[in-house]
Amino acid sequence: GNSVTQMEGPVTLSEEAFLTINCTYTATGYPSLFWYVQYPGEGLQLLLKATKADDKGSNKGFEATYRKETTSFHLEKGSVQVSDSAVYFCALSDRNSGGSNYKLTFGKGTLLTVNP
Amino acid sequence: ETGVTQSPTHLIKTRGQQVTLRCSSQSGHNTVSWYQQALGQGPQFIFQYYREEENGRGNFPPRFSGLQFPNYSSELNVNALELDDSALYLCASSPGETQYFGPGTRLLVL
Repeated sequence: GNSVTQMEGPVTLSEEAFLTINCTYTATGYPSLFWYVQYPGEGLQLLLKATKADDKGSNKGFEATYRKETTSFHLEKGSVQVSDSAVYFCALSDRNSGGSNYKLTFGKGTLLTVNP
Repeated sequence: ETGVTQSPTHLIKTRGQQVTLRCSSQSGHNTVSWYQQALGQGPQFIFQYYREEENGRGNFPPRFSGLQFPNYSSELNVNALELDDSALYLCASSPGETQYFGPGTRLLVL
């Protein structure tokens, strides 16, 4: 079946440091890929997405490129802020059997803490 | 803000009881999915509803059931609660592929 593997956390950085959170996936077919962010005590917010190979998703300074050859979708940000402290989830979307809709398969999440 | 709302925000039940969680989807979204997120884990897909019909189910027992109403809002029902059902239950609505999540309902089973 489909699966998503994220780098183990927690990740602790100083403000303005460079961030990379690794994500690799296993899927049949051609899934879409997503990063979601979860702030303490809240639900998930969509951060960015990419729907086909070589697409780059970007939002709020975060970027990730859909790499089919390495089955990866690593999240990067050039300069993190304290407000970026949260749990980050990589996910893939695959078509339900027999339907036109999709379910998400998530990684276990990576806790990021940014210190001032 | 996604426009997806869930109620209640928190709930405490005892083992063996039944619970109903509610979700209002974002305007124009005809698909609702439910996920269970255990502490420290990623969300796990429970099931999905599309135009009032179940449209895919994850690896959850039949005591997890749901409904979708004509206005596309949805309910998740869990019977015979077990301690391991303690989790954050997330609802997501979508017009197509991209899913937008509500704030979740945190269920504690004692």
